[in-house]
Amino acid sequence: ETGVTQTPRHLVMGMTNKKSLKCEQHLGHNAMYWYKQSAKKPLELMFVYSLEERVENNSVPSRFSPECPNSSHLFLHLHTLQPEDSALYLCASSRGLLETQYFGPGTRLLVL
Amino acid sequence: AQSVTQLDSQVPVFEEAPVELRCNYSSSVSVYLFWYVQYPNQGLQLLLKYLSGSTLVESINGFEAEFNKSQTSFHLRKPSVHISDTAEYFCAVSDPNNAGNMLTFGGGTRLMVKP
Repeated sequence: ETGVTQTPRHLVMGMTNKKSLKCEQHLGHNAMYWYKQSAKKPLELMFVYSLEERVENNSVPSRFSPECPNSSHLFLHLHTLQPEDSALYLCASSRGLLETQYFGPGTRLLVL
Repeated sequence: AQSVTQLDSQVPVFEEAPVELRCNYSSSVSVYLFWYVQYPNQGLQLLLKYLSGSTLVESINGFEAEFNKSQTSFHLRKPSVHISDTAEYFCAVSDPNNAGNMLTFGGGTRLMVKP
């Protein structure tokens, strides 16, 4: 599956670090999403962008800051994270907001 | 708010045996239904989806799911599993009238196929 790529695949960071997760989709889609997958919890939608405009923000702490500079790229900027933020962060894209979502491989984040 | 329940967190099964992974959702409105599969150390891959039309949907690798509106279920079945089917399976639902296209996921079912 190369339609949606995410980098890095693994990331270890301290609580005072600043890092960014990158997602790129090669499918010509117009909507992109960030999800958080924690152990023993259902996937949680974090952010939704459509045509580079944020559509949905599910009460995510401000230490997570998304950026969508164009319809092919989505970033998640991280700063002063907590150990409980350790999870797999999944990016997805869809042709439009009501279309099927396709997922990237995820970035496994560990916060020490 | 919608919710999705996958009753079984783990399903062990022997190779070539049939399997059913259960999914129930709570919604009184029309829904789109999905099954995603996540192989170890990978992201989610769409397995199959129900949007409208025939209530029985099939995937290319032998899985099928049937939308049952009266029971609000979308169980996933395969008549004969392979070792390579070992993975975590997620059921998800979305409201086609929700502009944010929010997918609500179940907790996942880990399918463990044993030789």
